[in-house]
Order: sequence, then C-alpha cells, then structure tokens
Amino acid sequence: TQLLEQSPQFLSIQEGENLTVYCNSSSVFSSLQWYRQEPGEGPVLLVTVVTGGEVKKLKRLTFQFGDARKDSSLHITAAQPGDTGLYLCAANFGNEKLTFGTGTRLTIIP
Amino acid sequence: EPEVTQTPSHQVTQMGQEVILRCVPISNHLYFYWYRQILGQKVEFLVSFYNNEISEKSEIFDDQFSVERPDGSNFTLKIRSTKLEDSAMYFCASRRLTGTGANVLTFGAGSRLTVL
Repeated sequence: TQLLEQSPQFLSIQEGENLTVYCNSSSVFSSLQWYRQEPGEGPVLLVTVVTGGEVKKLKRLTFQFGDARKDSSLHITAAQPGDTGLYLCAANFGNEKLTFGTGTRLTIIP
Repeated sequence: EPEVTQTPSHQVTQMGQEVILRCVPISNHLYFYWYRQILGQKVEFLVSFYNNEISEKSEIFDDQFSVERPDGSNFTLKIRSTKLEDSAMYFCASRRLTGTGANVLTFGAGSRLTVL
C-alpha cells in the first residue's frame, strides 16, 4: 500500500512569513501533483512534477521534487491571507490511480 | 476554461436507497474517475474508467457501486443500497493522456451525499 504523509497537518502563521510543507512516501513516485482545495469544492491543480530534482515556481510558490522521487515540498514566500486553504499532494505510483496525501491545512493570519 | 460538472451538488437520502451521482467530464478527455472524501479525511480513489470499462478500482468500490457512461457525455456513479458510511463528498475527475505521462486530473466541484 502506497501512502503519502504530509507535514505539518495544520499550520497557522502570520501574513508575510515564509513556510514549507512536505510530502513524503516510502515508495517512488512516477509523478507528483500539488492541489489546493477550498471548503466545499474539488481539488484544483497547482503544479505537476515529473523529473527527480525538478523545481517549479508559481509566483510565490516553489515546488520541489526530491532527487529520489520519494518526497516533495511546497514553499510559500511572504504568505498572504489568500493562501489559506488545504494543500494536497497526490502521486502516481506507476498505476492508473492518483493517491492523495493526508493534507496540510494552512491558515494565514492577517 | 473547460470544467467537469457534477450534479446534484447535495443529495440527502435514506439508508438503503439507491443513489446516482452524475458527472459531465471535459469533452476531449478519455479517462474518468470517481473519488470520495469523507468529512475530515483524505481524498480516496474509488474507480477509473477508460474505453467504456473499469481500468482500476479500489477496495472501497465493492458490489454496491457501479459506474456507467450511458452516452457520449455523462459519467455516472451508482450506489445501489446506501449505508451511513457512504456519506461523503464524491468527486468526479477526468483527464487526457499528457505527453509527460503524468496523470493530470481535472476535478469537479463534488456532490455531497448525506445518508440518514
């Protein structure tokens, strides 16, 4: 059974601070995606990473895929209240389904 | 921007009743999925569907569940006899085959099912 653990589970920080959330597995991913989910809505794709060591930037968000393809991180610079939400990593382990992580619920305090 | 649409947005049903959740995937997508999310828990894979048949299913997707693509646009999830523990948000998703080989899914807004 492939599991994706995200940490921290909850994070509450002040506006303007930086933060990093992590996604880890004991198994190698073939690809990994980060999603953001608002209450009562479906997950919305932020980024897909495929190559080990890959780094992608999306404005103030930086996504990194570990060299060993077993971990990923999301770093947010100068967090804003609009960044508040549930951040989910999701991975393919070489099969059809997408396995979701446990999620990090982020709250940015104005 | 193309989107996956789901109906109903919320359904309340009595235990033992049949429920059909409907989805209209993005028109040029070939792969279709159902996921569910029990309140406060993570998003769980139920089933994937390609070329008019199930390509993969999870342990959750037992004989009470079925999927169908009755016409060229709709993709449905049927729960034959609902149980209390079926209460969850059900998400439909679809994708096309991307060049990178990554399974990039577009999710609908979900259908909330409440079983009483």
